[in-house]
Amino acid sequence: EAGVTQSPTHLIKTRGQQATLRCSPISGHTSVYWYQQALGLGLQFLLWYDEGEERNRGNFPPRFSGRQFPNYSSELNVNALELEDSALYLCASSFLTSGGAKNIQYFGAGTRLSVL
Amino acid sequence: DAKTTQPTSMDCAEGRAANLPCNHSTISGNEYVYWYRQIHSQGPQYIIHGLKNNETNEMASLIITEDRKSSTLILPHATLRDTAVYYCIVSDYKLSFGAGTTVTVRA
Repeated sequence: EAGVTQSPTHLIKTRGQQATLRCSPISGHTSVYWYQQALGLGLQFLLWYDEGEERNRGNFPPRFSGRQFPNYSSELNVNALELEDSALYLCASSFLTSGGAKNIQYFGAGTRLSVL
Repeated sequence: DAKTTQPTSMDCAEGRAANLPCNHSTISGNEYVYWYRQIHSQGPQYIIHGLKNNETNEMASLIITEDRKSSTLILPHATLRDTAVYYCIVSDYKLSFGAGTTVTVRA
């Protein structure tokens, strides 16, 4: 069974441009999460989508946005790129159990975004 | 989400058990304890989770104290491939990754 897949693996952009990152969850998973990991730093929660709706977002500016499609895949858009947006962007998927208390997330290999 | 406290780093000899402690004194009743690890620049890998009972799978064992305020991840026979940053997370849905414990397995 395929795991979480992310594309592209690497992405190089210049300041002010827009970046689009894509994620395909594990089959049967309805929730997708996005995380940012800047070099040498921990993972920061960005966005959570479930059943096509944005459920929660982390402390990031509005130029970070995304969506979830009917097939549960997701894309993350970063507008007006800044140098400090350079990071590894990780996507995870899960199948929420009743009440959402148990939530095992499985991660993809990530997209490394470099902003020049 | 409850915060966790882990040692910054630890060394372990290859073939020996590695015991990774985690304090989570503010854990609430519906929060699970999750352990993940991240090998350099790869996506985090799920290891194990538990609510209040001890758990074991093919990768590790998880021991949770009766008051649920702390837990220990046990890697029974550490190998060089277990060198990674290990994260202890307490959460109901959103995972908050702290700095984790950098575990170095030495031959």
